[in-house]
Amino acid sequence: DSGVTQTPKHLITATGQRVTLRCSPRSGDLSVYWYQQSLDQGLQFLIQYYNGEERAKGNILERFSAQQFPDLHSELNLSSLELGDSALYFCASSEWTVPSTEAFFGQGTRLTVV
Amino acid sequence: DAKTTQPPSMDCAEGRAANLPCNHSTISGNEYVYWYRQIHSQGPQYIIHGLKNNETNEMASLIITEDRKSSTLILPHATLRDTAVYYCIVYTDKLIFGTGTRLQVFP
Repeated sequence: DSGVTQTPKHLITATGQRVTLRCSPRSGDLSVYWYQQSLDQGLQFLIQYYNGEERAKGNILERFSAQQFPDLHSELNLSSLELGDSALYFCASSEWTVPSTEAFFGQGTRLTVV
Repeated sequence: DAKTTQPPSMDCAEGRAANLPCNHSTISGNEYVYWYRQIHSQGPQYIIHGLKNNETNEMASLIITEDRKSSTLILPHATLRDTAVYYCIVYTDKLIFGTGTRLQVFP
């Protein structure tokens, strides 16, 4: 158990809908990272937050947004969902920002868009 | 971001050492080398990281060449549970995963 909690574990929704994925970092961790992994694909970095502020951005679609709240949990919002958005979405957290410390990953949310 | 090159797949007999190479010839002086692994579709697991010196922990050893252009992750006694995709990452300001090496440990 990495200490990073992601909810829900599974989510099935229809095209065009909007969903919110939640991530609770390890206690004391200030950084949160989001990744997308499509079937048999690599991990695509989406976005990183540090203590509530956006720190780094990857190839995150405009239909996707994220935020980190004062209690340090984070949410990833996916809107106007398409079939191609079906994927595993991972959240990771670290005490500070890499490279000073390692990032710990949650078990992911499996999103299926039908 | 510095690019890493890893072999797509490797095999290793159980109980033997698994040596996973990584080339990062464009690495800069202040960039760290990280190794993670992903077992099936679980969340990636941190293994080890280093800057210049060789590093060892309870899971593995990391050997970085003197010119820092390549590194090797060593699992000293591979088990079936070490079957996974292993990612070598050069960290800049983002933790970017490449395609990794799929390590198959066989009995």
